Amino acid sequence: DAGVIQSPRHEVTEMGQEVTLRCKPISGHNSLFWYRQTMMRGLELLIYFNNNVPIDDSGMPEDRFSAKMPNASFSTLKIQPSEPRDSAVYFCASSFKGDTEAFFGQGTRLTVV
Amino acid sequence: GESVGLHLPTLSVQEGDNSIINCAYSNSASDYFIWYKQESGKGPQFIIDIRSNMDKRQGQRVTVLLNKTVKHLSLQIAATQPGDSAVYFCAENWDTNKLIFGTGTLLAVQP
Repeated sequence: DAGVIQSPRHEVTEMGQEVTLRCKPISGHNSLFWYRQTMMRGLELLIYFNNNVPIDDSGMPEDRFSAKMPNASFSTLKIQPSEPRDSAVYFCASSFKGDTEAFFGQGTRLTVV
Repeated sequence: GESVGLHLPTLSVQEGDNSIINCAYSNSASDYFIWYKQESGKGPQFIIDIRSNMDKRQGQRVTVLLNKTVKHLSLQIAATQPGDSAVYFCAENWDTNKLIFGTGTLLAVQP
């Protein structure tokens, strides 16, 4: 397995534009997590899914952020409209539910100018 | 204006020495505690975990100690190597699946 795959690796966009980050979890994993990493706040859990169902989205900063998991092999994190303060590295991770070992993707570095 | 970032604690050790990285956690109800390693430009990578009913667990070159009385976790790395240079995060596992990360410690291994 190639591990958790995120795309794009880098995204530069203008303030106000819509941004969509994509994640393909490891095949067979039934939990998926979206994290945001910044120098200011470190690694923050935004949302996680079990069996494609959002379980806890309390970390989603505001309504501009939304995440979906239409099937077991794909998830998206959307920001609309984007703002400069959304600039960060966004990580997707997957695991077997109940397992402590989560596997992280390489991340998407988002820059909003 | 200039943004102020997190000041990561830094541990600088000589190659071959043992390293001890410390972490304070917040939730006494956490089921598991986990250590992750993050190398530059990569996502965090699982190192070792410890269940809340244990106080010590050993892996290959690593040992994790848990002190629930003072909510303290430590990671000991034996014979530290240049490849161990990275940011190390402790994480708490809430509600079976919710991983909450600490701020991290930068380990710098001097040759």
